[in-house]
Amino acid sequence: AQKITQTQPGMFVQEKEAVTLDCTYDTSDPSYGLFWYKQPSSGEMIFLIYQGSYDQQNATEGRYSLNFQKARKSANLVISASQLGDSAMYFCAMREAVDSGYSTLTFGKGTMLLVSP
Amino acid sequence: DGGITQSPKYLFRKEGQNVTLSCEQNLNHDAMYWYRQDPGQGLRLIYYSQIVNDFQKGDIAEGYSVSREKKESFPLTVTSAQKNPTAFYLCASGGPENWSNQPQHFGDGTRLSIL
Repeated sequence: AQKITQTQPGMFVQEKEAVTLDCTYDTSDPSYGLFWYKQPSSGEMIFLIYQGSYDQQNATEGRYSLNFQKARKSANLVISASQLGDSAMYFCAMREAVDSGYSTLTFGKGTMLLVSP
Repeated sequence: DGGITQSPKYLFRKEGQNVTLSCEQNLNHDAMYWYRQDPGQGLRLIYYSQIVNDFQKGDIAEGYSVSREKKESFPLTVTSAQKNPTAFYLCASGGPENWSNQPQHFGDGTRLSIL
């Protein structure tokens, strides 16, 4: 079963509008972390925002905010006031512990966001 | 500046050939990771290493091998046993693990193609 599900293969938004990118996750572990990364066409992965499972408040970083609904196991990324430079692939990822005591990231398949003028 | 350097940026492999992708970091991170990304897909974990001389298989380790002789370096070898190696390979590193809010930092990637 997929641990991270991003149901929107592509999204379109007009410049200056807000957009929400969906992410649902599946885990039975009470302690986990959720990350969002941006991948422009050049390929590098850029960290955007983090939400811990025990965090009481939704995370915010500038124009990025995370709508964290723990009971629904969703962690949607909200980008306010979209800019042309926001056009990229966006990945949701979950950090969980593994048996050896380490932790690893599991990524969703991503959502391609296109911002139009 | 601190960061992760992957080389080469583009790599071509002939049938039956092993190739090695380089990954070096100067962030003083303990953990390092290799991911594979296929077109339109997310990242899948190949191998990871928490400390020098120790590494663990990820979800798709078959046909790959790694070494971790130095903290700064985590090279990935794509062996001839990997029948479909064409992909984008990303190396990452991370600081103290386990419930840290510190993200993994990524290199710029290597694009590997079959000749």
